[in-house]
Amino acid sequence: KNQVEQSPQSLIILEGKNCTLQCNYTVSPFSNLRWYKQDTGRGPVSLTIMTFSENTKSNGRYTATLDADTKQSSLHITASQLSDSASYICVVSAVSWGKLQFGAGTQVVVTP
Amino acid sequence: DSGVTQTPKHLITATGQRVTLRCSPRSGDLSVYWYQQSLDQGLQFLIQYYNGEERAKGNILERFSAQQFPDLHSELNLSSLELGDSALYFCASSVGYQGNGQFFGPGTRLTVL
Repeated sequence: KNQVEQSPQSLIILEGKNCTLQCNYTVSPFSNLRWYKQDTGRGPVSLTIMTFSENTKSNGRYTATLDADTKQSSLHITASQLSDSASYICVVSAVSWGKLQFGAGTQVVVTP
Repeated sequence: DSGVTQTPKHLITATGQRVTLRCSPRSGDLSVYWYQQSLDQGLQFLIQYYNGEERAKGNILERFSAQQFPDLHSELNLSSLELGDSALYFCASSVGYQGNGQFFGPGTRLTVL
C-alpha cells in the first residue's frame, strides 16, 4: 500500500479560479514533505518543502499547509493560470533514508 | 534548468536489446538517484548512489544495473529490454545522502518496440 495518497486524481479548473490538492501520508517517522510540479514529459520541480514544525509555506501563488498530527498536507493554487496545468506530486521523507515516498500525483488542467 | 543533465533525451530500441542512460549531477552534488515513470504512473525509485557507492535500492529489476563513476556521473544500464520497460527515466541529484533536496533532470524517454 502506498504510504502517500493524493486526491483528487485529476481536476479541471477555469483560469483565474483557485483549487486545493490533498496529500495524506503514513510515512513515519516523518522528516519533511515536499510538493513538486511536473510538466508533461519534464522532470519534477520543487515548489515547497516543509518540516515537522512548519504549518504553511508559500511560493508565489502556491501555498502548502501541513498538519503533522493528522498527517495531512494540502497545496492551494491561487488565481490559476494556464501554465499551472501539470501534475503535482507530494513527496514525504522519513527520518531515515530509504523511505522516500512519492504520491501518484494530481493532474491539474487549467482551461481558458 | 535544474543543473542535472541526462542523455540521450529520447531512445528507441527493440525488445531484447541493452541500453545505457547517462546522468551528470549538479556541480557539488554527491548523490545520484534513478527513477522510472511509466505512462500515467507515479515516480518509482530505482536506486541511489552516493560518492561512488550504492546507497539505497528501490524497485530495480535484476535486468537493470547502475554505477556512479569517480567524476560522479552515473549510468543506468537496462538489458534484455521488454515492452513494459518503455518509460521516462529520471535522474536526480542532491548534496547529501538523506534523499532530501533532490533536483531532477529532464529525463530520458525510452521506447521499446
